[in-house]
Amino acid sequence: QKEVEQNSGPLSVPEGAIASLNCTYSDRGSQSFFWYRQYSGKSPELIMFIYSNGDKEDGRFTAQLNKASQYVSLLIRDSQPSDSATYLCAVSDGGTSYGKLTFGQGTILTVHP
Amino acid sequence: DAGVTQSPTHLIKTRGQHVTLRCSPISGHKSVSWYQQVLGQGPQFIFQYYEKEERGRGNFPDRFSARQFPNYSSELNVNALLLGDSALYLCASSFRAGNTGELFFGEGSRLTVL
Repeated sequence: QKEVEQNSGPLSVPEGAIASLNCTYSDRGSQSFFWYRQYSGKSPELIMFIYSNGDKEDGRFTAQLNKASQYVSLLIRDSQPSDSATYLCAVSDGGTSYGKLTFGQGTILTVHP
Repeated sequence: DAGVTQSPTHLIKTRGQHVTLRCSPISGHKSVSWYQQVLGQGPQFIFQYYEKEERGRGNFPDRFSARQFPNYSSELNVNALLLGDSALYLCASSFRAGNTGELFFGEGSRLTVL
């Protein structure tokens, strides 16, 4: 069974610090990797996706992928209280999956002033 | 532009009953997926539909069924409800065919089974 594991939380960082969220996956055939943010009581929203090994930066967010180690991470620089949410790592396989993602259990991030 | 819309937003049922949840994708999106999210866990894949055909099914019992209509809206049906079916049911749509996880989620239908 394909699995996605995230670092256990909750994670608490001070405002302005770097938050580091980690995720490992079991299926070596996985092709696409996603980070979703979910505020309490709300639905998940996509914040980053990465397909190739290496880093991908978007504003304060950097996604890192290492397929050899089956590892993907999300760094949030200059963390703000508004970043406080649950972060979900999701993986899509290489087949014709139009909307099938395997999600991790989520990591709760709290950014305190 | 309207996002993914789901109805009802909240509902309470008793064990053994049946429930129908509805979803309208973003205009132009032909793919709809359903996910179940139990409190404290990540969403779990239930079904995916593309162009009105089932393209994938997760590890859920046959009590769960779904369909997609010609206008690309979708229904999720759950029969013989169990207490463990209490969860947030999320519908997600996407535009592109092929492998993509760029899903747009609706606000969900929160089901409580008593």
